[in-house]
Amino acid sequence: GESVGLHLPTLSVQEGDNSIINCAYSNSASDYFIWYKQESGKGPQFIIDIRSNMDKRQGQRVTVLLNKTVKHLSLQIAATQPGDSAVYFCAEVPPGGKLIFGQGTTLQVKP
Amino acid sequence: EAQVTQNPRYLITVTGKKLTVTCSQNMNHEYMSWYRQDPGLGLRQIYYSMNVEVTDKGDVPEGYKVSRKEKRNFPLILESPSPNQTSLYFCASSLWGKNTEAFFGQGTRLTVV
Repeated sequence: GESVGLHLPTLSVQEGDNSIINCAYSNSASDYFIWYKQESGKGPQFIIDIRSNMDKRQGQRVTVLLNKTVKHLSLQIAATQPGDSAVYFCAEVPPGGKLIFGQGTTLQVKP
Repeated sequence: EAQVTQNPRYLITVTGKKLTVTCSQNMNHEYMSWYRQDPGLGLRQIYYSMNVEVTDKGDVPEGYKVSRKEKRNFPLILESPSPNQTSLYFCASSLWGKNTEAFFGQGTRLTVV
């Protein structure tokens, strides 16, 4: 399943499928990007980050892709599990260091 | 354990009654900030602090105050709360000037009636 972030705030996927969550960022000078996961009743938690000199970074089951040409960031989750159900936020960090958050995408995993 | 601790987690108060939400971090981070989270509006920054005795307004500072007398603490003060300040509040801290992630507290659910 795939979302376009700001335009599709909820993404529903079947357990075991791959998920792609998209984010359009605003500042072409931003040089650091972070994905956060927020579970119900908890604060945002760091998932993965990427610096602007990279196009791709992989973690455990997660991959972040950065396309600076179109100011687009995506988070790919492999073999989505029920525990992945949460709201996912992208954040950009322009020069100056202030985090700018996207609106968030809700990921629902159907068993 | 590295963490950001907010208190209280839940608070119901009446309009006009001053309140303080505390935030403490044990990571020796220079940068601390407060956000409010509202449905459809995402996370909006209220105030931030780059170091002790240095605070600055974020995107939605009206009706809030902060102080940074010590590096580890960054309380959020509502002098005269109003119902439009009913929200979920998060404190966060990070290293300043370095590209590292922000650590968030567990949140404070505030209801002003």
